[in-house]
Amino acid sequence: DAGITQSPRHKVTETGTPVTLRCHQTENHRYMYWYRQDPGHGLRLIHYSYGVKDTDKGEVSDGYSVSRSKTEDFLLTLESATSSQTSVYFCAISESKDRVIGTEAFFGQGTRLTVV
Amino acid sequence: KQEVTQIPAALSVPEGENLVLNCSFTDSAIYNLQWFRQDPGKGLTSLLLIQSSQREQTSGRLNASLDKSSGRSTLYIAASQPGDSATYLCAVRRMDSNYQLIWGAGTKLIIKP
Repeated sequence: DAGITQSPRHKVTETGTPVTLRCHQTENHRYMYWYRQDPGHGLRLIHYSYGVKDTDKGEVSDGYSVSRSKTEDFLLTLESATSSQTSVYFCAISESKDRVIGTEAFFGQGTRLTVV
Repeated sequence: KQEVTQIPAALSVPEGENLVLNCSFTDSAIYNLQWFRQDPGKGLTSLLLIQSSQREQTSGRLNASLDKSSGRSTLYIAASQPGDSATYLCAVRRMDSNYQLIWGAGTKLIIKP
């Protein structure tokens, strides 16, 4: 398995509280991504990073922020958690954004977040 | 807006059968299409990547085809085994984005021993 770990794996939190999820990689890949997965839907991109301190929004970024101060760590923060953010969150890493290769190479095992 | 659909949502077949999973997309302007496997409690594993200029890709018992003009891809699994039980997801990479994969909701496959 690729060296990518997410923490925590499970979390229950209350509405209105801040929550931070962590993605850690040991592959030294440049690109990192946060997705959410909901029943009946495909994965949806929240934010991504193309280098240290370089991040951009995905299609469902409202209510989320990210930070990447080191190559190996990509943090996803829910500033004030809402019930609609109950989901499974996946981190992915990729070596290249090249359009020919164009692959999210490795995925983490996911974090199941419940907002009550 | 690109939309990706996978039908059926769930499929149960006896061990040993050959089977086909379907993926359709609404916009043929794609860079590539990928098939992934997802096991419960685990992340996603990339199975096959088909570039927009390709018609098919093969890996072991898996064969994926791509017909851009009709907006369809199929994943063929030969001689299915219980270990093939998982959710299979397809995703297309839009031509107007370097980063976004647009995902189907997946087909949950159960192979009965």
